[in-house]
Parts: sequence; structure tokens; C-alpha cells
Amino acid sequence: SQTIHQWPATLVQPVGSPLSLECTVEGTSNPNLYWYRQAAGRGLQLLFYSVGIGQISSEVPQNLSASRPQDRQFILSSKKLLLSDSGFYLCAWSVREYNEQFFGPGTRLTVL
Amino acid sequence: GQNIDQPTEMTATEGAIVQINCTYQTSGFNGLFWYQQHAGEAPTFLSYNVLDGLEEKGRFSSFLSRSKGYSYLLLKELQMKDSASYLCAVMDSNYQLIWGAGTKLIIKP
Repeated sequence: SQTIHQWPATLVQPVGSPLSLECTVEGTSNPNLYWYRQAAGRGLQLLFYSVGIGQISSEVPQNLSASRPQDRQFILSSKKLLLSDSGFYLCAWSVREYNEQFFGPGTRLTVL
Repeated sequence: GQNIDQPTEMTATEGAIVQINCTYQTSGFNGLFWYQQHAGEAPTFLSYNVLDGLEEKGRFSSFLSRSKGYSYLLLKELQMKDSASYLCAVMDSNYQLIWGAGTKLIIKP
């Protein structure tokens, strides 16, 4: 069966510090991968998605970036965090772009 | 623009039935998804509708009317563990999921 991992589970970072969140998927090959952010009381906002190694599409202009160095690894980064980057970050995967997405446990980021 | 509307909060009684509505306006339509999200946790997939009609899966059913841009999630025999947020999401013509803000369902004994 397929499993998706995210770490860390929680993170508190000062404004201006860098960020690296990692997501890995087990039990499947060539998945579509997604990074979402969820603010309190709001819908999920798609940040990045990837259909293959090194292929990243950005949905929202921001100070975040994503990379996919390996087939089942997806990394979300920032060089300098802003207060507005606080939120619940979710990684997800799907077999194809039209299939249901399965989510990792999420990372709760607080920027102070 | 693209828009998904669902009620912010609903309250129901244990053992009862509740219907959570979702209306949408999107650029194209490639299916509608319902997810359940417990507080502090990730969303989990519940159901998928791409054709009009009712899809039943145990205590949960989901209905779709594409001509009306409308769906509902029906939960029967409510249990306390059903207290959660229920997210409606529509896949648009670019296969991007457009998400509603979610409906927080409170179950009372």
C-alpha cells in the first residue's frame, strides 16, 4: 500500500529564517505531487505541483519554491520566511492529475 | 472567477441524518470530491462524483447535479467521530482542484 510522509510535524521559525519541508511517498512510482497551504477557516491553496522529476509548476507568486530531486521526494523551501507564511502545509500525491489526492499528515508552521 | 460555496458550520444530533451542500462555479468540470478533515489533521478522501446522481458508500452518500452546479454529502446514523470539517473540491478543466473553505460539522449527543 501507499504511504506519504511529511516532516517535521510542527515548526516555529523566526521571520527571515530559511525553510525546508520534506515529503516522501512510498509504494508507488511516478506520482503527481502537490504542496498546499491551509490557513485557518479557508480552503486549501495549491502552491506547487509536479508531474515528474525536476518538473515543477507554481500556482501562486510568493517567496516559496519547490523541488523534486527524486521520483518520490518533494521539497518546499524558502530563503526568508514572512509572517504570512504561517499555516498548515500539506503534501499530497495522486496517480494521475484526474485522480483523487491523498494527503500526508501535514506540517504546522508558525512564523514569529 | 472560480468559486465553491458551502455552509461554514452545521450542528446535528448523534444517530440522525445530515446533508451538507456545496455549490460551485468553475472553469470546466472534471469531477467533484468530498474530503473529511478532523481538527489538526490532514484531509482524507471520502467520495468522487463525475456523473449526475447518487454515489453511496456505507453511511456516506454523495450526490451531483452538473446542470445546477450542486452537490451534497449525506451522512446517516451520525456518530460522535463524524465531528469534523467536510471539504468540497471541484476539478476544473486544467485538472486543478478548487477547494471550498469546508463545513464544520458538530455532533451533539
